[in-house]
Amino acid sequence: GAGVSQSPSNKVTEKGKDVELRCDPISGHTALYWYRQSLGQGLEFLIYFQGNSAPDKSGLPSDRFSAERTGGSVSTLTIQRTQQEDSAVYLCASSQQGQETQYFGPGTRLLVL
Amino acid sequence: QKEVEQDPGPLSVPEGAIVSLNCTYSNSAFQYFMWYRQYSRKGPELLMYTYSSGNKEDGRFTAQVDKSSKYISLFIRDSQPSDSATYLCATDKAAGNKLTFGGGTRVLVKP
Repeated sequence: GAGVSQSPSNKVTEKGKDVELRCDPISGHTALYWYRQSLGQGLEFLIYFQGNSAPDKSGLPSDRFSAERTGGSVSTLTIQRTQQEDSAVYLCASSQQGQETQYFGPGTRLLVL
Repeated sequence: QKEVEQDPGPLSVPEGAIVSLNCTYSNSAFQYFMWYRQYSRKGPELLMYTYSSGNKEDGRFTAQVDKSSKYISLFIRDSQPSDSATYLCATDKAAGNKLTFGGGTRVLVKP
């Protein structure tokens, strides 16, 4: 079946602009995660959705970052007033409830000029 | 200091050699341990998953966890050029929770 998909694959934006990144999880997966991968920091957790529970936002680096998950499926990560340090690969993963295996999408490569 | 430490490499080995990778972690609450493989410009894919201490073998891959020393290892036998990738260790406190990753080790297997 289809894996986790993310769009766009690449995004170039100017400093100060807002961007939206999309994630389509594997069908039936109740858990959805966003991570960020950058050269200096490696792969870092951002936010986690599990079913109808309140999301775990403990990894969001600032209030410029937000995410929502509509209908328990598709998720959008929004970065407002982008900064150059936001340049990174943003990875989405999904898993079945209570299962440890997280399946990752190919990522969105964000470059802030 | 990061919760999970991993040598960035690169680790270069000839084809057929054993690749030995390891990570150390600091939080004793970690119970689940994983190894992911990531090819260039791709997302990570799960290779091995271990709960608590012990060994696990899957084909050419063996994962070891020593919770007493907070040390996890991955061995790749009979390495192939297609094994050239970045290997990431990851840990979790509970099933289905957020993962804490090491920085990744880049491996090059030369024909």
